[in-house]
Amino acid sequence: DVKVTQSSRYLVKRTGEKVFLECVQDMDHENMFWYRQDPGLGLRLIYFSYDVKMKEKGDIPEGYSVSREKKERFSLILESASTNQTSMYLCASAVAGELFFGEGSRLTVL
Amino acid sequence: AQSVTQLGSHVSVSEGALVLLRCNYSSSVPPYLFWYVQYPNQGLQLLLKYTSAATLVKGINGFEAEFKKSETSFHLTKPSAHMSDAAEYFCAVSPDDYKLSFGAGTTVTVRA
Repeated sequence: DVKVTQSSRYLVKRTGEKVFLECVQDMDHENMFWYRQDPGLGLRLIYFSYDVKMKEKGDIPEGYSVSREKKERFSLILESASTNQTSMYLCASAVAGELFFGEGSRLTVL
Repeated sequence: AQSVTQLGSHVSVSEGALVLLRCNYSSSVPPYLFWYVQYPNQGLQLLLKYTSAATLVKGINGFEAEFKKSETSFHLTKPSAHMSDAAEYFCAVSPDDYKLSFGAGTTVTVRA
């Protein structure tokens, strides 16, 4: 089975802190994604990556950056967390159009 | 640009009754269409996927969806709801089988 692991299920951070969300997949997929999920808004794409060191902006990249130094790892970075970034963050890897999701990281920014 | 509209944020059905979840899309090119399900406290998983091979697509757990180009719809159905079907369901569209745009989701509640 494909496994996508997000390092933290729950995080609480303060406004202005730098936040790292880590995601690791074990299926050698080239494509990886970060989404945020908010009630009534569904999933919105933040960033995605086609390959190592490649990244593309999604629909809502403002306030976020990403890093992909190794194929299996895709990190989401909040340079200076703000309260409007309180959300559920979902990482996924993909092959042939099928996304495989991690269980999510619920971030609360106080 | 692609977008998805899911009609109804909440659907409540009796166990054994038909489940019908509505999805309409807009796309400038022939799209790929998907339904994903999210069970409580879990990530999303693929239910089914339309890729133009057949307009009626069968998925896991007894779900199926029909692509209707004239109506730009991709509604999800299951003839007989089970308690285990309680979850949130997301319709998604993609122009290239890769970058997906998701709808807002529909939460299904199943009454005993």
